[in-house]
Parts: sequence; C-alpha cells; structure tokens
Amino acid sequence: GAVVSQHPSRVICKSGTSVKIECRSLDFQATTMFWYRQFPKKSLMLMATSNEGSKATYEQGVEKDKFLINHASLTLSTLTVTSAHPEDSSFYICSARLQGSNTEAFFGQGTRLTVV
Amino acid sequence: GESVGLHLPTLSVQEGDNSIINCAYSNSASDYFIWYKQESGKGPQFIIDIRSNMDKRQGQRVTVLLNKTVKHLSLQIAATQPGDSAVYFCAETQAGTALIFGKGTTLSVSS
Repeated sequence: GAVVSQHPSRVICKSGTSVKIECRSLDFQATTMFWYRQFPKKSLMLMATSNEGSKATYEQGVEKDKFLINHASLTLSTLTVTSAHPEDSSFYICSARLQGSNTEAFFGQGTRLTVV
Repeated sequence: GESVGLHLPTLSVQEGDNSIINCAYSNSASDYFIWYKQESGKGPQFIIDIRSNMDKRQGQRVTVLLNKTVKHLSLQIAATQPGDSAVYFCAETQAGTALIFGKGTTLSVSS
C-alpha cells in the first residue's frame, strides 16, 4: 500500500516553544491530508483537514492559531504547535488518501509530543 | 461528538478462539467503512474495509459484516493469535471526507 511518513516520531519541547511535525506521502500525491490527535487510551480525534494550496479546515473546538497547518505541496503537510503548553502533550497522527478516491486512508506512524 | 462507537472497550480471548468486535455508527450517509488495528505508540494499520453496497467482506482470517438496517459493523478474527493483541477501531466516511473513528476495543489474547 501507499506510504505516509511522519517526522519526528517523538519530540520533547519546553513550554512556550513551537514544534513542527511533517507528514509526507512518499509514493503518491495527496491533495488532502488529515490531522488527528489521540490522548492515552482514547480514539483518534480529527483536528483538521489539510488542503494543498488552500487554507486548512479545522474541526470545531480546534484553535487554528494554536495548530498551524500548511500544505504547500502534493506530498507534504506540516502541523506546527505554537507556544506549546503541557496540555498540548499528545500523540499526533496524520493521514492521506489517494487523490480523487474514496478509499482507505494511509496513516503516518504518529508523533509523540511531550511539553515540559 | 463521535458518530461511530464500539460496544465493548475490552475483549479478552484465548489463543485460537474466534474474536468478534462490534461497532455502531450513526451517520446513515456513510458509504465506506474501515477497521484499523493500532499497536501501542504506532499509527493505525489497515485491516479490512467494506463499502455500503456490500454486507460482508472476507480477508485473511478476518471478516467484516455490515448491517445498514441497524447501522452496525463487526470485525471477526478467526483463530486469534497473541500478535492480534491491539486496539481495534472502526471508522466511517462518506465521499472522500475524513475518517471518523469509533472509541476502540482493546483485544487481549492469552496463550
């Protein structure tokens, strides 16, 4: 199947700093990528839909100024957690689907963010 | 709120048993459903999918059943193995929109 690579897999940062997470589709083009957040022992919660060349669509309750999403190319979307606080600590996962299809979504390996 | 949910948060079985994991969804417009397996610290891994024009689909050791009348989805794992231990999520979507995940069932397989 298609491969989605997410980097870094693990990051620790200090409160007040910003952290960028990259999501790449390695062998296919993805006009749309999705960002999820997952708390321990909980399900994946959709944060936003990232659209190549346009603004991301955020789910209700997700702060767009806190979680900046940029989808500058057909193979790369980035999520920047700005002015991170301990409550932003979580597992962040991106996914992408083959362009123009209603098929399975391919997931990155996730990023474990710890804010200290 | 979540539109897809699982009936049981945990399921414990013996190696070799068959496992059945259930999921209820609420969006009648959903036309595509997927089961994912997630191991600790990793992203979801595709298991099997089914479209709304089907009611059953079989893979290797896994079967997905879809009952649109009661909006119910199930995953059957035959001859469950210790390596099947993980959290299982069902997810629904329509027309290429984002997947919406259910709450998850933790499957524990003892040998």
